[in-house]
Amino acid sequence: QKEVEQNSGPLSVPEGAIASLNCTYSDRGSQSFFWYRQYSGKSPELIMFIYSNGDKEDGRFTAQLNKASQYVSLLIRDSQPSDSATYLCAVNPPRFVFGPGTRLSVLP
Amino acid sequence: GAGVSQSPSNKVTEKGKDVELRCDPISGHTALYWYRQSLGQGLEFLIYFQGNSAPDKSGLPSDRFSAERTGGSVSTLTIQRTQQEDSAVYLCASSPMGRQGWEKLFFGSGTQLSVL
Repeated sequence: QKEVEQNSGPLSVPEGAIASLNCTYSDRGSQSFFWYRQYSGKSPELIMFIYSNGDKEDGRFTAQLNKASQYVSLLIRDSQPSDSATYLCAVNPPRFVFGPGTRLSVLP
Repeated sequence: GAGVSQSPSNKVTEKGKDVELRCDPISGHTALYWYRQSLGQGLEFLIYFQGNSAPDKSGLPSDRFSAERTGGSVSTLTIQRTQQEDSAVYLCASSPMGRQGWEKLFFGSGTQLSVL
């Protein structure tokens, strides 16, 4: 079993909709979780991190963590075409193990 | 410079040749990482340096891969006897070390390695 798993997508949503991206991890000892966004041909950039069970909101982005289910998700409200990118889940700092990423396409 | 600098940006080599990839981290960042990203794939952890501690080499795929970090700054990733499956984008990232034991990663633009 891979350490971090994500649906590869592509996930297509219409502009203005909510995009839901999911990530599961295998190490029950994981404490901190990260979402990076990677535009095509560019390097990843951090958009959110979470380490407590529950929700964490930052603008249009909400990260949700359920350690019992070993599940972390990212919700993007009011999706925009500029949100079209690959979203990478990462766990276990300081090593940072990344999932394969989910490609999101927001359709105008 | 203001960001993480990697060179070369592109490298084409023949199978069996050795290559060296360079990373110049953000000044003052104590942590330095190398990742590999194959086309359409996620980031594969290779190696992690933190200050003067022994590096975490657990992600290096074979003994053909090695890395060093001189003076706690610049790092070089060396791939000996390259194989076609080594073709990928090699990304370097640096990070300051926060009180919680981690900080966000700042990535360079990567080196696109093509092994013919």
